Amino acid sequence: AQSVSQHNHHVILSEAASLELGCNYSYGGTVNLFWYVQYPGQHLQLLLKYFSGDPLVKGIKGFEAEFIKSKFSFNLRKPSVQWSDTAEYFCAVNAPDNMLTFGGGTRLMVKP
Amino acid sequence: KAGVTQTPRYLIKTRGQQVTLSCSPISGHRSVSWYQQTPGQGLQFLFEYFSETQRNKGNFPGRFSGRQFSNSRSEMNVSTLELGDSALYLCASSLGRRPSVEDEQFFGPGTRLTVL
Repeated sequence: AQSVSQHNHHVILSEAASLELGCNYSYGGTVNLFWYVQYPGQHLQLLLKYFSGDPLVKGIKGFEAEFIKSKFSFNLRKPSVQWSDTAEYFCAVNAPDNMLTFGGGTRLMVKP
Repeated sequence: KAGVTQTPRYLIKTRGQQVTLSCSPISGHRSVSWYQQTPGQGLQFLFEYFSETQRNKGNFPGRFSGRQFSNSRSEMNVSTLELGDSALYLCASSLGRRPSVEDEQFFGPGTRLTVL
C-alpha cells in the first residue's frame, strides 16, 4: 500500500528563519503530489501541487516544493517564515487509485 | 461561491449509537471524499463518491458507510460507535474524480465527533 512519511513531527523556528519540511512516499509509479496547510481553527487548504513538468513548484504565500523522483521526495521550503505560517502541514500523494494518502503532518511553530 | 459545508459541526454520542454526518459540496462539484482525522492516525481516507456511486473505499470496517445524492450532497454513517471513532471527519469536494492542474479538492471545516 502507498505510504507517505513526514519525518519532522514538530518544528520550531524563529521569524525569518528558512524552512524545509521533508516528505517521502513509497509508490514507484506516476504520482501527483500535494502540500496542504491547516491553520489553527481553519480548513485544510492547498499550498501547492505537482503533476508534471518543472520539478520545482511554487505555491501560495511564498512556499515552494521540489520533486526529486529518484529520492521519492517532495520537500516543502520557504526562505523566510513568518509568525503567520504557524500551522500544521500535510504532504499528500494521489496514486495509484486516486485516493489521497496523507503523511502524518508537521506542526510548525514560528516564534515572533 | 460558497465553500464545502458540513453539518453538524460538533456531535457527542455514546458507544453503541449510530451517527449520520452531512456534506454539501461546492456548487458544480460532483466528487465528494471523506477523511477521518485523529491525533494518532492523522488523516485517513474513508471513501469517495462520484455520480452517486462509491468509487473508492479506504481501510475502514463496514460500520462506516456513506452515500451520495443526485445533487452531489453526501452523507456518511457510522453505526455501533466505538470510543476510537472520536475524530474530526472531513469532507472534500472536487469537480471531477481525478485532481488535475485545473481541479483540486476543497475541504470543509469538518464535523468533530466525540464518542463517550
